[in-house]
Amino acid sequence: TQLLEQSPQFLSIQEGENLTVYCNSSSVFSSLQWYRQEPGEGPVLLVTVVTGGEVKKLKRLTFQFGDARKDSSLHITAAQPGDTGLYLCANTGNQFYFGTGTSLTVIP
Amino acid sequence: NAGVTQTPKFQVLKTGQSMTLQCAQDMNHEYMSWYRQDPGMGLRLIHYSVGAGITDQGEVPNGYNVSRSTTEDFPLRLLSAAPSQTSVYFCASSTDSYTQYFGPGTRLTVL
Repeated sequence: TQLLEQSPQFLSIQEGENLTVYCNSSSVFSSLQWYRQEPGEGPVLLVTVVTGGEVKKLKRLTFQFGDARKDSSLHITAAQPGDTGLYLCANTGNQFYFGTGTSLTVIP
Repeated sequence: NAGVTQTPKFQVLKTGQSMTLQCAQDMNHEYMSWYRQDPGMGLRLIHYSVGAGITDQGEVPNGYNVSRSTTEDFPLRLLSAAPSQTSVYFCASSTDSYTQYFGPGTRLTVL
């Protein structure tokens, strides 16, 4: 079983602030995905990163994959209330392992 | 396309009862899976299937059965419900093991 730790567990910020959340693994990721889950809904895929050192941008979201492929970060610039949700990282494969998640609240 | 649908949305069971959570997808995806989500524990894989007639266990399979007789449907059966199975259950499907599409979830309470 692969252990994925996410930090922080909870984050509450004001609209317009920047933030970074982290995902760390006990072993090397085959590839890593980030999901966002809104209350009462299923997770929705944001991005897949495959190569160590890879950086992907999705509007105000920047995803970075560590060189050793054991960690990843998600940076949000100028957070908006619509960014509120649970952010999950996951290792891909026939058996997905999900992290425990970071619950983000953006206060207007 | 309806995507991934799950029924029921809410369910309350008594300890020892059995039930089936339904999952269907209309995207012709080969890969389907069931997860449970508990506070502070993320999503944990229960069972998965890589095609009709093929199923395998995930991280937490005990107390659950699955079958995959068609590409579209992947029901999850609770054999004898226990309070520890109180959770939110998600079904997901994908064309491969990468891009998963999740259903809206079933919220199960076992008393």
